[in-house]
Amino acid sequence: DGGITQSPKYLFRKEGQNVTLSCEQNLNHDAMYWYRQDPGQGLRLIYYSQIVNDFQKGDIAEGYSVSREKKESFPLTVTSAQKNPTAFYLCASSTWTGNNQPQHFGDGTRLSIL
Amino acid sequence: GESVGLHLPTLSVQEGDNSIINCAYSNSASDYFIWYKQESGKGPQFIIDIRSNMDKRQGQRVTVLLNKTVKHLSLQIAATQPGDSAVYFCAENGPRNDYKLSFGAGTTVTVRA
Repeated sequence: DGGITQSPKYLFRKEGQNVTLSCEQNLNHDAMYWYRQDPGQGLRLIYYSQIVNDFQKGDIAEGYSVSREKKESFPLTVTSAQKNPTAFYLCASSTWTGNNQPQHFGDGTRLSIL
Repeated sequence: GESVGLHLPTLSVQEGDNSIINCAYSNSASDYFIWYKQESGKGPQFIIDIRSNMDKRQGQRVTVLLNKTVKHLSLQIAATQPGDSAVYFCAENGPRNDYKLSFGAGTTVTVRA
């Protein structure tokens, strides 16, 4: 089945630790995105990538880093600099055709602090 | 700056009735709008989209209406079913060279049996 796979589903971070969230898609989409969702709130954009080896900061990039070495993969690292990392993290992808297309989401990773 | 908001955070609907979920947006340059459904513990699921050159678009049991004059978007669900219980988000996208979506806070829809 085509889709977006996020792993792990649940993740725990210790103080001072970096953790990496995985996102893989087999939809052949050019663009990929990372969002953060806090309880009762909408999604906020962390980073996005339109093409391999290129990515842009979103609205809340501080304390996060990404890489885009392959079209299918867009991992997100939550660094120790992110002081409030507890949230639901969502990865999305879309085509990039010069005309707006819907973003399709994975089922998220819930990150908590030990 | 851009902001997208839903009029009501919660909506309770009797099974079989029609649901209407509203959304207001502030960026008059937005030209693409999407409705998503999110069930507990899952990612948002695409429902329907509409471009600014349209006023109405229909899908299976859903209709999206766009009123650019008052910058208002609505999602109508016909014959609401228990499986429609979820959080619904509207999202907008700015000019064609900006593919970042701005999301509202969501409306929680509960279907009563």
